[in-house]
Amino acid sequence: RKEVEQDPGPFNVPEGATVAFNCTYSNSASQSFFWYRQDCRKEPKLLMSVYSSGNEDGRFTAQLNRASQYISLLIRDSKLSDSATYLCVVRGDSSYKLIFGSGTRLLVRP
Amino acid sequence: SAVISQKPSRDICQRGTSLTIQCQVDSQVTMMFWYRQQPGQSLTLIATANQGSEATYESGFVIDKFPISRPNLTFSTLTVSNMSPEDSSIYLCSAPYRLAGGSDTQYFGPGTRLTVL
Repeated sequence: RKEVEQDPGPFNVPEGATVAFNCTYSNSASQSFFWYRQDCRKEPKLLMSVYSSGNEDGRFTAQLNRASQYISLLIRDSKLSDSATYLCVVRGDSSYKLIFGSGTRLLVRP
Repeated sequence: SAVISQKPSRDICQRGTSLTIQCQVDSQVTMMFWYRQQPGQSLTLIATANQGSEATYESGFVIDKFPISRPNLTFSTLTVSNMSPEDSSIYLCSAPYRLAGGSDTQYFGPGTRLTVL
């Protein structure tokens, strides 16, 4: 079983749609959780951290459920520029190591 | 966040040769990380470059194949040795960064796209 699992997609949605991505992780001792965004042929860039209380940044909302070892990302009012691969990333218990999911590809069409 | 640069940005190499990739960070960091991203795949950590000590390699990666240098707190190199077509990949370096909320994450350089013929 992979340490971090994501639906690979692609999710093909119209502009203005709301789309949700899910991610599960296997190590219950994991400490920190993130969503990264990776555009085609570019490096991954931090989108936002994920906290148990949930956090929101504009159109983006991230949520962590520690009991279910489940992380989500909600994008409201999708823009064409949101088209990218979204990587679920987990940092281990006592380690600096980041574990990356395989990514979920989002395509926003006009 | 740190500004990270890598050289070369891309290269095409013959099998059996070696390529050294350079990574420069604009601030001093204790650890730097080297990742590989194979076509259509996510990122896999190769090793952690520690200043003043040997690099720490992840399972499946060995020093003879991927020697790493870390001469100071802002610079590291990764060499891909005796290359084969299976080494064709994007190689990325990263540096740690502490977010305002206290979480430790990493920022990435732009990557080196390697093609081995």
